[in-house]
Amino acid sequence: SSELTQDPAVSVALGQTVRITCQGDRLRNYYASWYQQKPGQAPVLVFHGKNNRPSGIPDRFSGSSSGNTASLTITGAQAEDEADYYCNSRDSTPTLWVFGGGTKLTVL
Amino acid sequence: QEHLQESGPGLVKPSETLSLTCTVSGASISTDYWSWIRQPPGKGLEWIGYIYYSGNTNYNPSLKSRVTISVDTSKKQFSLKLSSVTAADTAVYFCARIIPLSGAFDMWGQGTKVTVSS
Repeated sequence: SSELTQDPAVSVALGQTVRITCQGDRLRNYYASWYQQKPGQAPVLVFHGKNNRPSGIPDRFSGSSSGNTASLTITGAQAEDEADYYCNSRDSTPTLWVFGGGTKLTVL
Repeated sequence: QEHLQESGPGLVKPSETLSLTCTVSGASISTDYWSWIRQPPGKGLEWIGYIYYSGNTNYNPSLKSRVTISVDTSKKQFSLKLSSVTAADTAVYFCARIIPLSGAFDMWGQGTKVTVSS
């Protein structure tokens, strides 16, 4: 299976903008999905597809993609956004999936 | 209200088979794709496999020889069996629903912790 690579840790000042990236060859063929996970909780889908934000997710979360890199942008990060963020996509076929290693976001 | 709930033993002995069930509430098991994902302590998410209500499956190649996912539409449940477990299979196991078009996992169970130990 292929890999999706994420930076292990990223920090952002309160109210500033942060971009979390995910790299992998499969992202040339498939869109990434993004999940937020807080300690002891299940992941929550925050963005997926070309431009889809699930109901209830603040509009400060947005996604983009270019070549083999997908990005999740948080515009005006809040304290409650401090969490682990995972990307995932389909892998070599439409019924195989792969996750990135996760990025720990710290809001300063 | 849509809800997924995992159930099964929290402790499994090495070399035995881990068995978990996910019960679907408030959603139709017969129209969606379903998946199992796990997370070892302090580590990231690992996709295990998926099933469609028709019974079509596919598995993570690294686990394929040990994994079986099945579905019981009458009970609105799908299940995971992982054989010959070792300590490396200790993890929180999540079930999730897949959005077919984007491939995103949009609904997750709360997760169930499984420890492999004698």
